[in-house]
Amino acid sequence: AQSVTQPDIHITVSEGASLELRCNYSYGATPYLFWYVQSPGQGLQLLLKYFSGDTLVQGIKGFEAEFKRSQSSFNLRKPSVHWSDAAEYFCAGGYGNKLVFGAGTILRVKS
Amino acid sequence: ETGVTQTPRHLVMGMTNKKSLKCEQHLGHNAMYWYKQSAKKPLELMFVYNFKEQTENNSVPSRFSPECPNSSHLFLHLHTLQPEDSALYLCASSQGTARGSYEQYFGPGTRLTVT
Repeated sequence: AQSVTQPDIHITVSEGASLELRCNYSYGATPYLFWYVQSPGQGLQLLLKYFSGDTLVQGIKGFEAEFKRSQSSFNLRKPSVHWSDAAEYFCAGGYGNKLVFGAGTILRVKS
Repeated sequence: ETGVTQTPRHLVMGMTNKKSLKCEQHLGHNAMYWYKQSAKKPLELMFVYNFKEQTENNSVPSRFSPECPNSSHLFLHLHTLQPEDSALYLCASSQGTARGSYEQYFGPGTRLTVT
């Protein structure tokens, strides 16, 4: 079965520090990959997506992600975290006709 | 209104009540989805509609009854719920369900509490 794994349940970073959130997928074919962010009590907002082509994709709010086929990974990065980035982040993979979501990573930002 | 809207944002209901959740998308999409998000559990896909036709029912109990009268509106009718049904219910829409068209856009959710 297709699955998306986010190994880190919680991550805490200092404001201004760099961030990397991990995501691994298991598929037979190259999936379509997404990162979403969810603030408390809100819906999910699409940060970025990868369909094909350039393996480094840019998203909103200064986020980027890199697709690495050899590692089955699609990690999310940001060079300098702001306090407003504190939220839960979900990686998702598209396969067939639906999305499969990871369990999420909660990001805490300390000042 | 833009994007995907959901009403109500909060709902408290007793186990014998009947209520409905409403979702409306203003994106011109053809597919709509219901998800359940419970604390400490992954996002669970409940139902998928494409061009008003249900294409997926992810073994959801019959006390949840979806309705999709057109591509812009999606309802979730609730009756005789259980306390474990308390969760955030999220609606989403996408251009379609075919590979490459299912980039999904989410509404803000309805926080449901069953007492």
